[in-house]
Amino acid sequence: EAQVTQNPRYLITVTGKKLTVTCSQNMNHEYMSWYRQDPGLGLRQIYYSMNVEVTDKGDVPEGYKVSRKEKRNFPLILESPSPNQTSLYFCASRAGGGDTQYFGPGTRLTVL
Amino acid sequence: GENVEQHPSTLSVQEGDSAVIKCTYSDSASNYFPWYKQELGKRPQLIIDIRSNVGEKKDQRIAVTLNKTAKHFSLHITETQPEDSAVYFCAAAGNTGFQKLVFGTGTRLLVSP
Repeated sequence: EAQVTQNPRYLITVTGKKLTVTCSQNMNHEYMSWYRQDPGLGLRQIYYSMNVEVTDKGDVPEGYKVSRKEKRNFPLILESPSPNQTSLYFCASRAGGGDTQYFGPGTRLTVL
Repeated sequence: GENVEQHPSTLSVQEGDSAVIKCTYSDSASNYFPWYKQELGKRPQLIIDIRSNVGEKKDQRIAVTLNKTAKHFSLHITETQPEDSAVYFCAAAGNTGFQKLVFGTGTRLLVSP
């Protein structure tokens, strides 16, 4: 089954404790992105990747890191989480620029 | 860069009525316009999309229209049903190379029985 998976689905952590949210897709898609969703703000892009070892900043990259060492995986790293990073995070992938984007199930992160 | 504005932010209709959600975009180079539906607690899912070489696309009860001159596009849902209740997002992107998909802020649609 073609899908995008994320783990964990829910995470409660404390300020400053490094964490990683994993994302994996099995569709051999070139493009992957991370979004955060906050009430009233829609989906805002954090980082995106066009291929292995090619990543770039989206609209809200501060406080986040990503890596793309393998085509299927695109982890999101919060080196020192802060309460303003409490949000719902979605990973997404698509084959090309004008192709359907598929979202993962989401990760609800709470930073205390 | 691209900016997408979406209206209204909330929309309440009676079952059987039509619903229209409108979006405007700023970048005339954008030529791919998807619409996503997000039910409560779930991921956004594509419901319909349109590319700039067509002005309208239909899929059963939903349709999207695009006016490239005015840089706006709209989602039309006819004969609404309670299960249409969700948040709907429009988005815009180019389709050459990687073009960032920029989303609107969403419309919460409530269909009352």
